[in-house]
Order: sequence, then C-alpha cells, then structure tokens
Amino acid sequence: GENVEQHPSTLSVQEGDSAVIKCTYSDSASNYFPWYKQELGKRPQLIIDIRSNVGEKKDQRIAVTLNKTAKHFSLHITETQPEDSAVYFCAASTYSGGGADGLTFGKGTHLIIQP
Amino acid sequence: NAGVMQNPRHLVRRRGQEARLRCSPMKGHSHVYWYRQLPEEGLKFMVYLQKENIIDESGMPKERFSAEFPKEGPSILRIQQVVRGDSAAYFCASSPPGRVTYNEQFFGPGTRLTVL
Repeated sequence: GENVEQHPSTLSVQEGDSAVIKCTYSDSASNYFPWYKQELGKRPQLIIDIRSNVGEKKDQRIAVTLNKTAKHFSLHITETQPEDSAVYFCAASTYSGGGADGLTFGKGTHLIIQP
Repeated sequence: NAGVMQNPRHLVRRRGQEARLRCSPMKGHSHVYWYRQLPEEGLKFMVYLQKENIIDESGMPKERFSAEFPKEGPSILRIQQVVRGDSAAYFCASSPPGRVTYNEQFFGPGTRLTVL
C-alpha cells in the first residue's frame, strides 16, 4: 500500500518569512495530492491540492509542487502570518474516475509562526 | 449548503459498551470515508463507502468495527465492545460522485470518543 513520509515534524519561522513542508510517497499509481490544515480541536480543512498531470499550483500565498519522478511534493507558504500557525498534513491517493481510494496521510507538521 | 455533519461530537463509553458514530455527507455527495486520528498523530484511513456498498475496508480492524451507508439516512460507524485503545477522534469525509472532480474530500467536525 501507499506510504507517505512528511518532514519536518515541527517548523518554526518568523512572521513574514516563508515555510516549506516536504512529503514523499511510495506508490507510483498515486495521482492526487491534497494538503490539509488542522487547528487544535478542529476538522482538517483542504487548503490546496495537485493532480499528477501538473507540476505546480499556486493560490495566493500558498503553492504546491510535485515531482513525479522523485515521488515527492512540497507545500510552500510565503509571507507567513500568525493565523498560519496550525498542523499541516499532506496526503496521497489514487483516483480512477468512478471513485477514489482513501487518503494516506503523512504524520503532520506543526507550523509555528513567531511574531 | 450544509457541510459534512457528524454526531455526536463527543461520546463517552465504558469498556465493553458499543459506540455508534453518525455521518451525514454534504448534499450531492455519494462517497463517504471514515478516518481515525489518535492524539498527536495523523489521520488513518478506515473505510470507504458508497450508498449501500462498502468499497474498501482495508483500514478497518477485523473485529468489533463495522460501517454502513444505507440508501436512506447517515453513514454509521459502529464499534462493539469498546476498549481504551479505541479512544480517538473519528472523522468522516465526503466527496462528490466521480467525473465531477477529483477526490476532493471534505471533513466533518469529528466525533471524539473517550473510553473509560
């Protein structure tokens, strides 16, 4: 089955600086890679995703890159703000038109934005 | 358009009792996924259901756990004879039918199960 590794487990950055979180996956059949943000005691919220037919996607201060050959994908947050503090999870799954597998999640990165 | 609904939000059970967790997907969504999150850990896939069908239960423990998504009503995750190790947050996610979009899954608020 799929295995997703995520690094680092904790990341502390100064407000205004950039943050990068990296994930690797093992199953070359995976073709969908979402990122979720989870605040303490809350539900995971989808913040951005990327499909295997593109290499990069950007949404305002958030961007995700995918390297299919190396089987890794990364989340980039620029101009970090205090409200970016949360746990971020990467995930991978396979979609085939009629439905999709359950998501395999990384263990999460606790992002701390220092004022 | 209401989001994914789960109830109860908090559930306390004594060892040996049964726990029933309910999930109502977003309107128009026909795919339901259940995940378990242990404290300070990521989410682990348990089961994937479409209406009246279990599609993938590879993440579900073989004993005591069962899930259903009937034609009418919410999806139910049932845990029989709970043990302390079942204490966790259980999240349900839903996604729309195929070919509308890829596998965007939207999560409910979760049910926090505590086993005494």
